[in-house]
Amino acid sequence: GQSLEQPSEVTAVEGAIVQINCTYQTSGFYGLSWYQQHDGGAPTFLSYNALDGLEETGRFSSFLSRSDSYGYLLLQELQMKDSASYFCAVFSGGYNKLIFGAGTRLAVHP
Amino acid sequence: GAVVSQHPSWVICKSGTSVKIECRSLDFQATTMFWYRQFPKQSLMLMATSNEGSKATYEQGVEKDKFLINHASLTLSTLTVTSAHPEDSSFYICSPSRSGGDTEAFFGQGTRLTVV
Repeated sequence: GQSLEQPSEVTAVEGAIVQINCTYQTSGFYGLSWYQQHDGGAPTFLSYNALDGLEETGRFSSFLSRSDSYGYLLLQELQMKDSASYFCAVFSGGYNKLIFGAGTRLAVHP
Repeated sequence: GAVVSQHPSWVICKSGTSVKIECRSLDFQATTMFWYRQFPKQSLMLMATSNEGSKATYEQGVEKDKFLINHASLTLSTLTVTSAHPEDSSFYICSPSRSGGDTEAFFGQGTRLTVV
């Protein structure tokens, strides 16, 4: 089966940098994804890492270490609109169903 | 990204009644449809997977006779919550998938179901 662990809550101030960690256990690994979800909304895709290393997309970056079964999402220059839940996720059974971690609620304060 | 339409966005129903939720993929053919349920401040939990024209596969603990899934076409899938009870109140989200292995998942807007 699959399991993912991530912190439940993170708090930061505007302009700061925050890192959300995710460790996973899977039977077969097809990449680690990150999704953002605002309250009442649908998840939106942020990033996907299949290979080790850092992927940068604007203010957001995602890192993967397959040997450590670990990844993180790095959010820079935090803005109030970044307050949301962030989920790491892995595919189960190839590019098939997506299994989500419990989610990390990020609160950005002025 | 893909365009997915899910409706209704919210619904209130009485205990014992049934509610149908529709999910349409507007610009691609969804060979597979995933249905998720999310309780407040919790994660998205996969309920079932359906392939077009086939019976759905339900995750452990999800009652197939209570949550009826129809995936009769490549652009439309429905989830019917039958004999709804207050504990079924939740946020239901569809996620259509096309063949070929997208690394990005696409989601409907979600349906907030409240059973009173």
